[in-house]
Amino acid sequence: EVRLEQTGAEVKKPGESLKISCKGSGYSFSTSWIAWVRQMPGKGLEWMGIIYPGDSDARYSPSFQGQVTISVDKSIRTAYLQWSSLKASDTAMYFCARRWAIEASAYSPRDAFDVWGQGTMVTVSS
Amino acid sequence: SYDLTQPPSVSVSPGQTASITCSGDELGDKFTCWYQQRPGQSPLLVIYQDTKRPSGIPERFSGSNSGNTATLTISETQAMDEADYYCQVWDGPTTAVFGGGTKLTVL
Repeated sequence: EVRLEQTGAEVKKPGESLKISCKGSGYSFSTSWIAWVRQMPGKGLEWMGIIYPGDSDARYSPSFQGQVTISVDKSIRTAYLQWSSLKASDTAMYFCARRWAIEASAYSPRDAFDVWGQGTMVTVSS
Repeated sequence: SYDLTQPPSVSVSPGQTASITCSGDELGDKFTCWYQQRPGQSPLLVIYQDTKRPSGIPERFSGSNSGNTATLTISETQAMDEADYYCQVWDGPTTAVFGGGTKLTVL
């Protein structure tokens, strides 16, 4: 079974740092992009960025560039999303998702997010 | 950046057909995916490549995409279909875009 297992809920104070994780199993982790998606309370899905575990190539949405860091340790099949200084506005549910390569290529416009983690709720409050 | 527009809400009676639209500039030239998100759950892929259903998704779910509009159609709608639905496309090789989401109410 293909699975993405995410870190449990986190409660932090403004200004603190945080790193949450997403561990893949049941598939070739190194050859599937992993994306991070934010969902603020009561709001929609926002694409944050994506990383290719094979070479750690990370791409960011302009909205999140410089605000978070996406990284990966393929030896333990885990992708990460981290903040150096949290703000109250970072309070949200964060999902990781696997990019399903419909065609046998690095990326295709046909690709979809076929497997999602259970989400990590991050609460930032003083 | 590329924008996708969805109606905030759609209502349907049980057993009837629900249609949820997603609009974008020349959207028909892209491939649209649809995700279902029930309250408190992670998103679930229900349509990919405009019209295809992943394994395990009921035949009641179908999709189309032409011109500037992609449509998710749910026939014989059931109470369990009540959820938020999001469209998604790729704007470039590594940039995903989600629509704002549509809340489907079955009443």
